Amino acid sequence: DSGVTQTPKHLITATGQRVTLRCSPRSGDLSVYWYQQSLDQGLQFLIHYYNGEERAKGNILERFSAQQFPDLHSELNLSSLELGDSALYFCASSVVQGGYNEQFFGPGTRLTVL
Amino acid sequence: QKEVEQDPGPLSVPEGAIVSLNCTYSNSAFQYFMWYRQYSRKGPELLMYTYSSGNKEDGRFTAQVDKSSKYISLFIRDSQPSDSATYLCAMSVNAGGTSYGKLTFGQGTILTVHP
Repeated sequence: DSGVTQTPKHLITATGQRVTLRCSPRSGDLSVYWYQQSLDQGLQFLIHYYNGEERAKGNILERFSAQQFPDLHSELNLSSLELGDSALYFCASSVVQGGYNEQFFGPGTRLTVL
Repeated sequence: QKEVEQDPGPLSVPEGAIVSLNCTYSNSAFQYFMWYRQYSRKGPELLMYTYSSGNKEDGRFTAQVDKSSKYISLFIRDSQPSDSATYLCAMSVNAGGTSYGKLTFGQGTILTVHP
């Protein structure tokens, strides 16, 4: 158990819908990262928040947004869902900003868009 | 071309074999090199990390980085059925700019160790 929690574990929804994925980092970790894992693209970085502020963006679609709240939990919002958004979404947290910092991954949320 | 290339396998070996997993990369700014293990339906967990070039050993695992060739390897000695998982290489640049903290992953190699 990495100490990072993600809810829900599974999500099944329809195209065009909007969903929210939630992540609670390890106690004391200020950084939260979101990654998307699909069969064809592998594990891809989406976005990084540090202590409530956005710090880095990857190839995150405009339909996707995230935020980190004062209690440090983070939410990833996915809207106007398409079939291709079906994937595993992982959250990771770390205590050190930048450089080498061990990122601890949560168990993931499996999103299925029908 | 992807920044990090990794042969997806699958790789099947008998118990006790030495396993060699490799990644190549194109971004010379990468300074930190990691290997993650991911069991089915679980999140990745860090196995080893190396800063810049060199070797690092931890029990049955050895990580090697050759920055001149942009090539990294993970060796598993005396492989066990419990080592069956997907192995992902990952890399990151130094702190600074908009890239810090971001991990760039290889596609992952599926390894099966059979008894």
